Order: sequence, then structure tokens, then C-alpha cells
Amino acid sequence: AQSVSQHNHHVILSEAASLELGCNYSYGGTVNLFWYVQYPGQHLQLLLKYFSGDPLVKGIKGFEAEFIKSKFSFNLRKPSVQWSDTAEYFCAVIANAGNNRKLIWGLGTSLAVNP
Amino acid sequence: GAVVSQHPSWVICKSGTSVKIECRSLDFQATTMFWYRQFPKQSLMLMATSNEGSKATYEQGVEKDKFLINHASLTLSTLTVTSAHPEDSSFYICTYLGLASLETQYFGPGTRLLVL
Repeated sequence: AQSVSQHNHHVILSEAASLELGCNYSYGGTVNLFWYVQYPGQHLQLLLKYFSGDPLVKGIKGFEAEFIKSKFSFNLRKPSVQWSDTAEYFCAVIANAGNNRKLIWGLGTSLAVNP
Repeated sequence: GAVVSQHPSWVICKSGTSVKIECRSLDFQATTMFWYRQFPKQSLMLMATSNEGSKATYEQGVEKDKFLINHASLTLSTLTVTSAHPEDSSFYICTYLGLASLETQYFGPGTRLLVL
């Protein structure tokens, strides 16, 4: 069965530090990949997505992610975090297996940025 | 972009009562909606796939008799939590996945349910 794993459950950083959140998925076929963010008290928002093309994807708020097919990974990065980046980050995958197209979610990573 | 609304946004009820949550797509027709629940500090758990005009498809471990889903039209799907208990307290979210265009999911704002 398809699954998504996020390696870091809790991350604490100081402002201006660099961020990398790991995401690996298990599915050998074509995938669509997503990173979502959930700020405290708010609902989920899309940060970025990868469907095809350039494996380095630029998202909103200075985030980017790189799809490495050989490693089944889609890690999220930001060169310099801000206090306002404190949130829950979720990686998700759609495995395009026939008609069974649904999002498979990682457990999320809680990021706390200290000012 | 597509907009999904949910009503109510929060509800408090006594144990044993039933609660209906509405999910509406405001500017598009949604043949398929997804219902999730989210516990604090945890990821979304897919409960069921709601298909317009047919029975919902429930994920393993989700009681279909407890979580009744009705997708009566292309713009409305409802989730009814029957005989709610405190352990049903959670955040319930409906979403729409653009199957035709491979677009991302459009999330409803969620409904927070507290069962006393």
C-alpha cells in the first residue's frame, strides 16, 4: 500500500536558520506530490505541488521542494525561516493508480521558529 | 479559485445526539468529495469518499452506520455523526479533488465538533 513518511515530527529553529523537512513515499509509479501548511487555528493551505517537469518546485512564501525520483523523496526547504513560519507541515501524495486517486498524507511535522 | 464551505463551523452537543455537517461547493460541481477528520497535532485521516448519487466509500475502520454520508447533489455533501460520543470530538474537513484537471484539493474550512 502507498504510504508517506515524514522523518521529523518536531523541529525547533531560530529565525534565519535554514529548513529542510524530509518526505518519502512508497509507490513505484507516477505520483503527484504536495506540501501543505496549517498555521495555528487555520485550515490547510497548499504550499507547492509537483506534477511533472522541473523537479525543483518553487512555492509560496519562499518555500521550495525537490522531487528526487530515485530516492522517492520530496523534501521541503527554505533558506531562512521566519517566526511566521511556525506551523504544521504535511507532505501528501496522489498515487495515480487507475481510479483510486486519493491523497495519502504524512503524519506532519510541527515547526516552531523562535524569534 | 474553487470555494468549499462547511456549516456549522463549530458545534457542541450532548453525548447521544446526532450532528449533521454540510459541505457545499460554491462555484463548481463536485461529483466527488472527501471527508477527513483531524485530531489535534495529527494528520488528516480520510474517512470516506462521497460520490454524488451513489453510496459513499468508507475507509477501513470507519463505521459507515455511525458516520452517514449523503451526496445528494453536485454541490452538497453531508456528514451526519449519529449518536455522538466524546471520542467523536474532532475537526471534520471536507475537500474536493479536481479529478478531471489533476488540480489540487480544495479544502473546506472545517467543522470542530465537541461532544460533552
